[in-house]
Amino acid sequence: EDQVTQSPEALRLQEGESSSLNCSYTVSGLRGLFWYRQDPGKGPEFLFTLYSAGEEKEKERLKATLTKKESFLHITAPKPEDSATYLCAVQETSGSRLTFGEGTQLTVNP
Amino acid sequence: DADVTQTPRNRITKTGKRIMLECSQTKGHDRMYWYRQDPGLGLQLIYYSFDVKDINKGEISDGYSVSRQAQAKFSLSLESAIPNQTALYFCATSDPRQGITDTQYFGPGTRLTVL
Repeated sequence: EDQVTQSPEALRLQEGESSSLNCSYTVSGLRGLFWYRQDPGKGPEFLFTLYSAGEEKEKERLKATLTKKESFLHITAPKPEDSATYLCAVQETSGSRLTFGEGTQLTVNP
Repeated sequence: DADVTQTPRNRITKTGKRIMLECSQTKGHDRMYWYRQDPGLGLQLIYYSFDVKDINKGEISDGYSVSRQAQAKFSLSLESAIPNQTALYFCATSDPRQGITDTQYFGPGTRLTVL
């Protein structure tokens, strides 16, 4: 059974204070690892897909990396508008279903 | 206009009532999904459909049913709503032909409260 664990559950940063969110996963065969951003009361917004260990992707202040056991979402010099819940999900090679972690709630204070 | 729309956006109902949540998409995707989200929990898959004639149960299908009326429309029904079905409900779509993975794109959600 696929498993995804995200840590920390909540993270509070000052504006400009860089940090990382962790996503540990167990899957029989990885088709892809996904990062989503979710604002309160809204649907998850797709950020990145990572396919293989060693891969990195960037978007503005966010950079996602992948190893065989975990993924990190690095946030460089965050701004208050980066405040959201960040969700990680994995997809097996055999299908399209996603297994989600519980998310990390990020708050960036001005 | 949004690619994936959900109606209603908010609904309050009573125990025992039948409720239908609707999802429409203009992305042209064949695959559609229904999830629920509870506070502090990850998204859980209720049902998914790979085309109009293909419907599959997800992790938590008990108490729910679905209908795929067309490629662009996928409805979720609660036959007899109960309070522990109070949650956020999300519809998602995907097209596996668009890449190596099958990326899912989510609608804005429906907040359902069962009293």
